[in-house]
Amino acid sequence: QLQLQESGPGLVKPSETLSLTCTVSGGSISSTSYYWGWVRQPPGKGLEWIGTIYYSGSTNYNPSLKSRVTISVDTSKNQFSLELSSVTAADTAVYYCARHSGGASYYRPFDYWGQGTLVTVSS
Amino acid sequence: DIVMTQSPDSLAVSLGERATISCKSSQSLLYSSNNKNYLAWYQQKPGQPPKLLINWASTRESGVPDRFSGSGSGTDFTLTISSLQAEDVAIYYCQQYYNTPPYTFGQGTKLEIK
Repeated sequence: QLQLQESGPGLVKPSETLSLTCTVSGGSISSTSYYWGWVRQPPGKGLEWIGTIYYSGSTNYNPSLKSRVTISVDTSKNQFSLELSSVTAADTAVYYCARHSGGASYYRPFDYWGQGTLVTVSS
Repeated sequence: DIVMTQSPDSLAVSLGERATISCKSSQSLLYSSNNKNYLAWYQQKPGQPPKLLINWASTRESGVPDRFSGSGSGTDFTLTISSLQAEDVAIYYCQQYYNTPPYTFGQGTKLEIK
């Protein structure tokens, strides 16, 4: 059974960089069939896609966040990571990592999700 | 960006009754070359991640009860729960994956028991 688990600091100071890692177990991040993404959800609000990566390192970002986002992959550790720079209180959210469903395309919904991790931006 | 608009924002339905949620997109999600609608529905319960219920507008994911069904094409879509169960209390989101970046979600519909 595929599992995704987010990890990283739960508290980040304003203007600093938020860094999270998603560890994939029960499947290989190097599979050619899947893309991997990050989605966030501010407390009590809706879902916002952040970005997506393929095992090759190819990325696709939300234009609203593109200038601040970097997503990378480490196939040796079966992990992918998110960095969001210059954070403000508006970046406070639950951050989810997720897998796009199969078909070797990122034109797919998210079929597996991590449990999410709350990141609070505060001094 | 494609804007996804759900209605209503909240809905209260009696147990055993039908629940219907609408999702409208600002442009067509129907890809003519494969005749598929790039629309998904998710269910999110408190403290949990979203769960994919339906993709391609009407294809139920494995293990999803058949009381859940999706319909529609182009810009107008519907999620129907034919007979509401207590465990269906959740927030439901639609999502388009036709045009990226970015993928976009509806604002969510909160479903409660009347």
